[in-house]
Amino acid sequence: QKEVEQDPGPLSVPEGAIVSLNCTYSNSAFQYFMWYRQYSRKGPELLMYTYSSGNKEDGRFTAQVDKSSKYISLFIRDSQPSDSATYLCAMSALNAGGTSYGKLTFGQGTILTVHP
Amino acid sequence: DSGVTQTPKHLITATGQRVTLRCSPRSGDLSVYWYQQSLDQGLQFLIQYYNGEERAKGNILERFSAQQFPDLHSELNLSSLELGDSALYFCASSFSPGGGDPHFGPGTRLTVT
Repeated sequence: QKEVEQDPGPLSVPEGAIVSLNCTYSNSAFQYFMWYRQYSRKGPELLMYTYSSGNKEDGRFTAQVDKSSKYISLFIRDSQPSDSATYLCAMSALNAGGTSYGKLTFGQGTILTVHP
Repeated sequence: DSGVTQTPKHLITATGQRVTLRCSPRSGDLSVYWYQQSLDQGLQFLIQYYNGEERAKGNILERFSAQQFPDLHSELNLSSLELGDSALYFCASSFSPGGGDPHFGPGTRLTVT
């Protein structure tokens, strides 16, 4: 079983829809959570990161973490064709000093297409 | 643009050969990470350097090695290449050794024929 599971999709939605992307994890040491967006043949681009359970909002994006269920989500409101990409969740453990270890464990990525 | 640069963008080589991938971190970042992305394995952490020293090691093969130089750029050396080494290789950087939120470069696409 992989430490991080992510539904690969593909997910196809109409423009303006609310998109929900999800990951589950099994390693309770994971405390730092990130979402990356990757366009075809490009490097992953950091969208959101959070340490804590609950919601974090940034523009059209909301990251949600439920540590008790080991479940994280990314919501995209008013989705646009330019949001079409692969979305990757990533996580890392915290060291004794309370900062993240550098090693990220990634999900497989969800391919999202937003059609006009 | 993340500020992380990688060269070359593409590399085509034959089995058994050796190649070197280069990475320059964002200005001010001291940590460099190398990741491999393949269709079947996804993004896999290889190795991390912080200010010239190896910090963490992941699923890096013995045929692979890396180093970080005093000017903080890093090189990933891949030797005795096999067909299965064909992948995208990404470098990422962050300020702290703890990683925080690593920013990724554009990657080097390696094709082994």
